[in-house]
Amino acid sequence: AQSVAQPEDQVNVAEGNPLTVKCTYSVSGNPYLFWYVQYPNRGLQFLLKYITGDNLVKGSYGFEAEFNKSQTSFHLKKPSALVSDSALYFCAVRDMGGSARQLTFGSGTQLTVLP
Amino acid sequence: DAGVTQSPTHLIKTRGQQVTLRCSPKSGHDTVSWYQQALGQGPQFIFQYYEEEERQRGNFPDRFSGHQFPNYSSELNVNALLLGDSALYLCASSQGTSGTDTQYFGPGTRLTVL
Repeated sequence: AQSVAQPEDQVNVAEGNPLTVKCTYSVSGNPYLFWYVQYPNRGLQFLLKYITGDNLVKGSYGFEAEFNKSQTSFHLKKPSALVSDSALYFCAVRDMGGSARQLTFGSGTQLTVLP
Repeated sequence: DAGVTQSPTHLIKTRGQQVTLRCSPKSGHDTVSWYQQALGQGPQFIFQYYEEEERQRGNFPDRFSGHQFPNYSSELNVNALLLGDSALYLCASSQGTSGTDTQYFGPGTRLTVL
C-alpha cells in the first residue's frame, strides 16, 4: 500500500522569507513523488515531480523539492515566499514497484504568506 | 492548447438521483483518471480509463461507474446519490500508463446532494 502524510495542516510565513511544506511517504517499492497546488474553487495545478536522478527537483514558480530516501521525505521549498503563493498544497505518491497507477494524496497543507 | 475541461461546473441533485459528469482530456493525452475531493480532504482515486477500459479502481462502490469514448473523453456516473457523495469531482488526464506520467487536472465539478 502507498500513503502520504503532510504533518502540518497550516503553515504561515512572512513574504520574502523561505518556506517549507513537509511531506513524508510510505511505499513498498521506489516512489514517484509529486507536488500540486490548489487555489480556491479550482482544480490542482502540477508543480513538480521526482522520478529518479537528482534528489533536488526544480519546478514551476520557483518551487523546488528535495527527495530524501533515508527519511522517506519530499519537502517542498521556496527561497523567497510571495503573497500569491498562498494556497493549498498537496503531496502525492505512486509506488513504482506496485501495479497501482493512481496517485495517493496527502490531506493537504494550507500555506499562508503574510505581507 | 486546451487543458483538461470538465462539465458542468456545478450541479445540485437530491438523494437517490443519478448524475453524469464529463471530462475532455488535454490534447495528446489518452488516459483519464477520476478523483473525489471531499471538503477539507485530499483527492481520493475513483478509477482510471485507458483504451476505453477501466484499468484500475479505488475503494468506491459500484454506484460509481464510468466510460471512455474513442476520442479519449470520459464520463463519470453516480447512481442512487447519497448525501456523502457531495464533493468536488476532479478529472485528470495523462499520456499512457507507464507510472512516470504526470496527471494534469481539470477545474472540477462541484456536486451538491440535498
